[in-house]
Amino acid sequence: DAKTTQPPSMDCAEGRAANLPCNHSTISGNEYVYWYRQIHSQGPQYIIHGLKNNETNEMASLIITEDRKSSTLILPHATLRDTAVYYCIVRDYLGSSNTGKLIFGQGTTLQVKP
Amino acid sequence: NAGVTQTPKFQVLKTGQSMTLQCAQDMNHEYMSWYRQDPGMGLRLIHYSVGAGITDQGEVPNGYNVSRSTTEDFPLRLLSAAPSQTSVYFCASSSGTPEQETQYFGPGTRLLVL
Repeated sequence: DAKTTQPPSMDCAEGRAANLPCNHSTISGNEYVYWYRQIHSQGPQYIIHGLKNNETNEMASLIITEDRKSSTLILPHATLRDTAVYYCIVRDYLGSSNTGKLIFGQGTTLQVKP
Repeated sequence: NAGVTQTPKFQVLKTGQSMTLQCAQDMNHEYMSWYRQDPGMGLRLIHYSVGAGITDQGEVPNGYNVSRSTTEDFPLRLLSAAPSQTSVYFCASSSGTPEQETQYFGPGTRLLVL
C-alpha cells in the first residue's frame, strides 16, 4: 500500500471550512483514498473515500488531484465536535487478502477553535 | 444492531499472564481486524481475517494469536503479557466489495501490563 504524508496538526475556526491535505505521490491506479477520524480515545470513524473523482457525503468532501498524487478532505463548516485526529489512508484491493487491512499513519490533529 | 463490541473495556495484567480480548460483530461481516494504539501514536495492524477459518499477520503480530471459528467472533490472545503490550486495542469489521468497503471499529480495550 502507498504511504501518505499529512501535516501533524492544523487549527480551524469554528464555522469555517477545514481543509486537510494528504500527499500520496506513489499511489497506484488500483488504490483508493480513504479518510477516517478518531475523536479522543474512541475507535476510528469512517468519513469518505474515493478513487479518481471528487466525492461528497453528509460529513465531508474529498478532492483528488487529476494525477491522484494528493487529496484534500474538506469539512465545510467545522464545529468543535470535529476536533479529532484525521487519517488519510491509501489501500489497494487486489486480491481478497488485502481486503480489511488498513495501514494507519500518524494523521493530522485538527483543533477546531471557538 | 450492536455493531462491533469488545470486552473487557479495561484490564490490568501482570507480566507473564495470558488473556483473551473478545471481539464480536453482528453485521455478518466477513472481514475482521485487530489494531493496537500506543499513546500518541497511530493504529498498527496486529492480525486480520478475511473469513471464518482464515487469518493472517499484520504489522505487529508477535506476542499475539488469533483464530476465527465463526463469522461473528474474532478473539485476540496474549500469550505471555509484557509491559510493551500496554496499549489500547481496537477491533474492526468490514464487508461489501473492496471498492465500497468501510471499516467499523469497536470502542476499544485499554490494557495495562505491570
